[in-house]
Amino acid sequence: DAKTTQPPSMDCAEGRAANLPCNHSTISGNEYVYWYRQIHSQGPQYIIHGLKNNETNEMASLIITEDRKSSTLILPHATLRDTAVYYCILPTGGATNKLIFGTGTLLAVQP
Amino acid sequence: EPEVTQTPSHQVTQMGQEVILRCVPISNHLYFYWYRQILGQKVEFLVSFYNNEISEKSEIFDDQFSVERPDGSNFTLKIRSTKLEDSAMYFCASRLTLLQINEQYFGPGTRLTVT
Repeated sequence: DAKTTQPPSMDCAEGRAANLPCNHSTISGNEYVYWYRQIHSQGPQYIIHGLKNNETNEMASLIITEDRKSSTLILPHATLRDTAVYYCILPTGGATNKLIFGTGTLLAVQP
Repeated sequence: EPEVTQTPSHQVTQMGQEVILRCVPISNHLYFYWYRQILGQKVEFLVSFYNNEISEKSEIFDDQFSVERPDGSNFTLKIRSTKLEDSAMYFCASRLTLLQINEQYFGPGTRLTVT
């Protein structure tokens, strides 16, 4: 079911920008890209989503390539509390639009 | 900021017992979901619920599972006769509409331990 590809793990120094890539080469023209994260033993937390324009909110920025086949989640100033598994997800559509979680990227923010 | 809440945070039960996990979705949301995560594994979809009926369920959601929205605020997941393999984190989620512009919000989860 996985329609996205992410690196299994990344490290980032505290205070630096964390750039998390995602490939979604099979994305269709009207599908959004969603990003969630899961801090250890907590519920998944919504971060941001976008269609084709770059998006920014209080948590992160999302850069989507012009062909929409990949995107990058940017945490501008990573803190230790940003250590989590980050999931890039495409919608399943249909009657429920349930989320299908892959294995994501484990981001370890180092002091 | 509105949030999804779940109770209890941790439930320990004996094999064969019934458990009910409770969730209070965000108040104006219309679509409700249960997911589970076995320790060390992916988050898996169990069931979705809309307009007082199940709209989709996974193959995990067998006859031992049921969901209900008994009143205007609670959304429950019942496991009739728990098995050891039901031990997992169970997450409730809700969503305003199915439009892609609306995201799902998750609760903090209930850790179910079956002994």
